Formats: sequence, C-alpha cells, structure tokens
Amino acid sequence: LAKTTQPISMDSYEGQEVNITCSHNNIATNDYITWYQQFPSQGPRFIIQGYKTKVTNEVASLFIPADRKSSTLSLPRVSLSDTAVYYCLVGENQGGKLIFGQGTELSVKP
Amino acid sequence: SQTIHQWPATLVQPVGSPLSLECTVEGTSNPNLYWYRQAAGRGLQLLFYSVGIGQISSEVPQNLSASRPQDRQFILSSKKLLLSDSGFYLCAWREWVSEGLYGYTFGSGTRLTVV
Repeated sequence: LAKTTQPISMDSYEGQEVNITCSHNNIATNDYITWYQQFPSQGPRFIIQGYKTKVTNEVASLFIPADRKSSTLSLPRVSLSDTAVYYCLVGENQGGKLIFGQGTELSVKP
Repeated sequence: SQTIHQWPATLVQPVGSPLSLECTVEGTSNPNLYWYRQAAGRGLQLLFYSVGIGQISSEVPQNLSASRPQDRQFILSSKKLLLSDSGFYLCAWREWVSEGLYGYTFGSGTRLTVV
C-alpha cells in the first residue's frame, strides 16, 4: 500500500480557497486516491475519489497530475464548518483495506 | 438505503473487564467490514477487516478480537481490557459510490475509556 505524506495542519479564512496536497510517490497502477473528512468525535466521511486528471463534485475538486505521485484536494470558499481533519488515502479499489495517515488539520477562521 | 449502526456511543469500563462492541449494516449484502481505532490525537489504526461470514483478518497483534457471526454483523471483543485499549472505535463498510468507484462509510463510533 502506498504511503502518503500531507501537511500536519493548515490555517485559512472564511471565503478562501484551500488546497491540500498529498504526496504518494510509490502509488501503484491499480491504486485510486481518496479523500476523507473527519470532524471531532465522528467517523471519517468520504469526500472525493479519483484515478487521474481532475474530478469535481458538489463538495470539492481533486487534481491529479499525469505521474500520479501527488494529488491536491481543493475546497472552494471554505466556511467555519469546513474545520476538520482531512485524510488522503491511496489504495486499490476492489476491497481490501484502507490505511489512514495522520491527516491534515484544517482550521478555518472568521 | 444503506445504513451502518454502531453502539454504544460511549463506554467506561474497568481494567480487566470484558468488552463487546457491535456493528451492523442494513441495505446491503456481503459487505466488506472494518474495525478501526483512533487514539488521542489523529490517525486511524486498522484493527480488523472481514470479507465474509467467519472471515477475519487481523492487522496488528493486540488484546482484541473480532467476529462476524452474520453477514451484516461485526463484533469487536476483548476478554480483559487494558488501559491502552482506550480510544475511539469505528466500524466501517465498503459501498459502491459510482461506476467503478467504492467508498467507505463509517459508523458514529464508540468512545471507550478504560479506567
């Protein structure tokens, strides 16, 4: 399973766009990239998943360069309620297991 | 619709006492099920996962065990709790998100404090 590296913490202000980058240099051909969001005392919540290029949903965008050795989660116009820990995970998509790293603690200030 | 239930929400147990946490899913069949633990701070540690009834894979040696007596039931147990077993325990299952893509849905968690 590919190891991921992401910043421990980030600060932002309401209304700003936040980009969280994750490095996964040894990503395998069959691996997908998935991001989760976790609020205190709650389970992680699926945000977005992708394999290559760009994926966008109603919550976020995921940018993946051609070499797939990194990915960037983009949160447009964050609000205070986006304060949470964000996890980047890399793994095969056909079952098996998910391995979580330490995540990025995003703090959105007014 | 598919849902996941996990209980209890909080639990305070003395050292040496037994433990049983239950997780059930609804609206799906033969799901992959997982138990994670989150200690103080961040980082979720995968404890066990199961791809079917009676099939349990253990990720780390520990004082805990897991069982899957029914297709949609996953149980985390211990015969004698240790202080180090304290933490936030999360059950999860893998579900279909869209064509070719799967996501993992987590339960609401159990906050276990061993005293």
